[in-house]
Amino acid sequence: EAGVAQSPRYKIIEKRQSVAFWCNPISGHATLYWYQQILGQGPKLLIQFQNNGVVDDSQLPKDRFSAERLKGVDSTLKIQPAKLEDSAVYLCASSLVRSRTGELFFGEGSRLTVL
Amino acid sequence: QQQVKQSPQSLIVQKGGISIINCAYENTAFDYFPWYQQFPGKGPALLIAIRPDVSEKKEGRFTISFNKSAKQFSLHIMDSQPGDSATYFCAARQDSNYQLIWGAGTKLIIKP
Repeated sequence: EAGVAQSPRYKIIEKRQSVAFWCNPISGHATLYWYQQILGQGPKLLIQFQNNGVVDDSQLPKDRFSAERLKGVDSTLKIQPAKLEDSAVYLCASSLVRSRTGELFFGEGSRLTVL
Repeated sequence: QQQVKQSPQSLIVQKGGISIINCAYENTAFDYFPWYQQFPGKGPALLIAIRPDVSEKKEGRFTISFNKSAKQFSLHIMDSQPGDSATYFCAARQDSNYQLIWGAGTKLIIKP
């Protein structure tokens, strides 16, 4: 079974530039999450989709971050304009809807460095 | 805001020893307590999990102990091996929306 795919793995940009990250979840997983993980910290949920609808985006900085999940499969997270404090690993995860175990399957992440 | 407090921040254990990581939560609105393991450059992966109606769960060398009255749970790694060196996160799932509240993580180093 293929895992969660993310790209790019690494991205270096200047502050005020824009960047986009892509995620392809595990086939059949209706729930998709974007997390931000700053070095030395636990993952912080940015946005949760169920199919192509947003379940929770309360911690998404909407003035600069946006995300979409077209057709309920792939998802894109965009940052525009980037700030220095956005330097982090952006993790995409997917899960079955209301899974009994609640297991999240994570991709390897996209590491963003903002200079 | 609900929190999960994890300690220690880092831990060094000799090969063959027992590694113990502790977590505490603040209210009872959680229905599931997973532990995730993360290696450098990888995403977290589920290691073991427990429900609040069980006091202990063991899978191989990994054991979760759960104390509902104290609102605490811990991960024990028996016979720790260098391959166990990773960052470990505890989490608690909110029963209202199934979202995970994460601890800050423990960086575990097993010395050969």
